[in-house]
Amino acid sequence: NAGVTQTPKFQVLKTGQSMTLQCAQDMNHEYMSWYRQDPGMGLRLIHYSVGAGITDQGEVPNGYNVSRSTTEDFPLRLLSAAPSQTSVYFCASSHDRGNQPQHFGDGTRLSIL
Amino acid sequence: SQQGEEDPQALSIQEGENATMNCSYKTSINNLQWYRQNSGRGLVHLILIRSNEREKHSGRLRVTLDTSKKSSSLLITASRAADTASYFCATAQGRSNYKLTFGKGTLLTVNP
Repeated sequence: NAGVTQTPKFQVLKTGQSMTLQCAQDMNHEYMSWYRQDPGMGLRLIHYSVGAGITDQGEVPNGYNVSRSTTEDFPLRLLSAAPSQTSVYFCASSHDRGNQPQHFGDGTRLSIL
Repeated sequence: SQQGEEDPQALSIQEGENATMNCSYKTSINNLQWYRQNSGRGLVHLILIRSNEREKHSGRLRVTLDTSKKSSSLLITASRAADTASYFCATAQGRSNYKLTFGKGTLLTVNP
């Protein structure tokens, strides 16, 4: 099993550009989420999904869109990139029943110039 | 807002010593989890402790949970250089036992 796969690993954008960060998992997990990690801030939840067709906002959703058309994929879209969105983005997944650990991808390092 | 806060922010020890990290949180929880992050990598789950549990062990790891004080500790015994990483606590609250809120982490350095 590949686990949680994120692409790309690195990306540089100009202010105002849009892009999609990809996340795929092969563990048939119902729950998927996106976090951003900034120095000294820990991980903050952007958006999450409890199943195909269901998404909800986390702590810092502004400037980001998500959709969940399949169980496996949960892409994160930056609509109009801003320097404040320079960060490391992590996707995670888990089962949504019981007390389950989260499985993380290796992250996408995004710089907005 | 951050639910969990780790203490200390940074810890430097010698190989073979024990390392203790603490986590405090603000609201009632369903479970508390500890994760490790090596430099440049994603988070790896270490251990999960439920709100009705007080102590849990996994290899060289020992986690305690005191819900009356809203705090948890992670003890790593006989540390190794490979334990050098950032350690995060995360809590699940309310109706969700999977939606996590993370602390800011403790950077552990184990010197050979």
